[in-house]
Amino acid sequence: DTEVTQTPKHLVMGMTNKKSLKCEQHMGHRAMYWYKQKAKKPPELMFVYSYEKLSINESVPSRFSPECPNSSLLNLHLHALQPEDSALYLCASSPAPPQLTDTQYFGPGTRLTVL
Amino acid sequence: AQKITQTQPGMFVQEKEAVTLDCTYDTSDPSYGLFWYKQPSSGEMIFLIYQGSYDQQNATEGRYSLNFQKARKSANLVISASQLGDSAMYFCAISGSGTGANSKLTFGKGITLSVRP
Repeated sequence: DTEVTQTPKHLVMGMTNKKSLKCEQHMGHRAMYWYKQKAKKPPELMFVYSYEKLSINESVPSRFSPECPNSSLLNLHLHALQPEDSALYLCASSPAPPQLTDTQYFGPGTRLTVL
Repeated sequence: AQKITQTQPGMFVQEKEAVTLDCTYDTSDPSYGLFWYKQPSSGEMIFLIYQGSYDQQNATEGRYSLNFQKARKSANLVISASQLGDSAMYFCAISGSGTGANSKLTFGKGITLSVRP
């Protein structure tokens, strides 16, 4: 059983909707990540939180807004998305501060479709 | 900048046979980590195996082993006794170095493996 969970598994939303993706980890990690993955492509890093503070933002459009309410939860708030934002969104966690030897453990992902 | 190259087209293997998935990398960092992940059609990225740049021995995890050749900058994954459940996309990744960059994984394009019964 994965120790990183994500909800919902699937999400369909219109371009004017506001929705949120949720991620929870039970590994005691203090670094959490959001990735975006298009079909048959590798994951692309979006955000990194370390000790509940945003440490990396990979120039992601403001229609994606991350939030880390506590050490085990990570949210991604979505607003005014475009159809090209349709993708698999993966959450991951690792020990913090991240070391070269630290493995990132991924959740099962949320498949997002923007109509 | 770091780079991972996975150039094999879709790979096929007969059940119970061994298969090698190729990965070459490029980095100027003296310290780095190499990772292999498996992604079945369900979407979850499953961690398989890790190799550190200073590790003297090749990593092994059950049926997975890593053929690490540092001078050639290659880190090939060997799966022994293939099972039908091994059918998936496999990604090789390298960790960055330096403040903040440790958290960045650079992924290759992935290799699709299909196991035939």
